[in-house]
Amino acid sequence: AQTVTQSQPEMSVQEAETVTLSCTYDTSESDYYLFWYKQPPSRQMILVIRQEAYKQQNATENRFSVNFQKAAKSFSLKISDSQLGDAAMYFCAYQPSYTGANSKLTFGKGITLSVRP
Amino acid sequence: EAQVTQNPRYLITVTGKKLTVTCSQNMNHEYMSWYRQDPGLGLRQIYYSMNVEVTDKGDVPEGYKVSRKEKRNFPLILESPSPNQTSLYFCASSLLGAEDTEAFFGQGTRLTVV
Repeated sequence: AQTVTQSQPEMSVQEAETVTLSCTYDTSESDYYLFWYKQPPSRQMILVIRQEAYKQQNATENRFSVNFQKAAKSFSLKISDSQLGDAAMYFCAYQPSYTGANSKLTFGKGITLSVRP
Repeated sequence: EAQVTQNPRYLITVTGKKLTVTCSQNMNHEYMSWYRQDPGLGLRQIYYSMNVEVTDKGDVPEGYKVSRKEKRNFPLILESPSPNQTSLYFCASSLLGAEDTEAFFGQGTRLTVV
């Protein structure tokens, strides 16, 4: 079974600084998707960024980028120029890519990010 | 607007009183799923459905039922709720097999069982 580990329950960053959130996962599959979701106090699950395992290039979305290390099974999220609105809980998630089976998202425990003004 | 709609957003109920949380999507997605979110545990899958009349258990199905009579609707049923089912629940939907598949989540339902 796949597992996703977020070992840091909380992190804090100064506004305008850069922060990196860590995530490791375990799978025997060679093709899959990885995601970072943001959950603000409104509880809405917001997709931040997505990475396909077959792509070597790290995904980027504006101030958000990932460091995807497939061999190490590591998938960290870097937030540049942190803003107060980035304060939220962040979840790392794994999804298998094969069809005809459960497209379940396996989530880590989440990390609470606070941003200091 | 593409969306997944859950109702109610908040619910307080008593032990043993049957309840249903509704979920509806307007994107013609085949795949729908229910998750529960608990502190320190992340989100865990309860049940999923790959199409109409096709449902199966996820990781934590005990105490829950689902049905998929129509493609757009996927209600979560608690026949006899217990306090350990107090949680935040999310419904999600997505296409199956699409290259750029993305899960769309509902707004969440905060359930308290007393």
